[in-house]
Amino acid sequence: AQTVTQSQPEMSVQEAETVTLSCTYDTSENNYYLFWYKQPPSRQMILVIRQEAYKQQNATENRFSVNFQKAAKSFSLKISDSQLGDTAMYFCAFNAFMNRDDKIIFGKGTRLHILP
Amino acid sequence: DGGITQSPKYLFRKEGQNVTLSCEQNLNHDAMYWYRQDPGQGLRLIYYSQIVNDFQKGDIAEGYSVSREKKESFPLTVTSAQKNPTAFYLCASSLTWTSGTSYEQYFGPGTRLTVT
Repeated sequence: AQTVTQSQPEMSVQEAETVTLSCTYDTSENNYYLFWYKQPPSRQMILVIRQEAYKQQNATENRFSVNFQKAAKSFSLKISDSQLGDTAMYFCAFNAFMNRDDKIIFGKGTRLHILP
Repeated sequence: DGGITQSPKYLFRKEGQNVTLSCEQNLNHDAMYWYRQDPGQGLRLIYYSQIVNDFQKGDIAEGYSVSREKKESFPLTVTSAQKNPTAFYLCASSLTWTSGTSYEQYFGPGTRLTVT
């Protein structure tokens, strides 16, 4: 079975610091996608960043970047220069192209608090 | 603007009544999904549909029903058989694996259902 594990239920960092959220996954597939979603207090789910497994280069989106280690099945999210607006629940998610059921498997989430 | 709408934002019902949650998208996506989220928890898949007039049960389908008569619409009915219906419900849509490209899910703003 394919699984996504986020080992940090909750984290707190000071504003302007850098924080890394961990995610590991388990799959026997070789071709898949990984995502990080953000859910702020408004509860609107927002896609933060996406990584294709066949791409060796780590994805970046402004202050957000990932460390994708395919062999280790690890997909961590780094937030640089954290801002108060980054306070949210963050979900790591996985989708295997060959599944053909279009389902995304979500981790249980990490609640991130950015402290002023 | 393209997006997903869910209405209403807050819904209150008496125990024993069926209630239908609306989800509409104008993103021209084939796939649509319904998730349930309980306080402080992750997302659990209720039902999903990859094409009009077809849908599949997710992990927690008991007590729920759906229809997919139009590509744009995927309403969810919470029936009186659902033992604990009070929750936050999220609708999402995506391209399907047949698109051959990344198919992250886009989410609506959610509906908070309270049953007393």
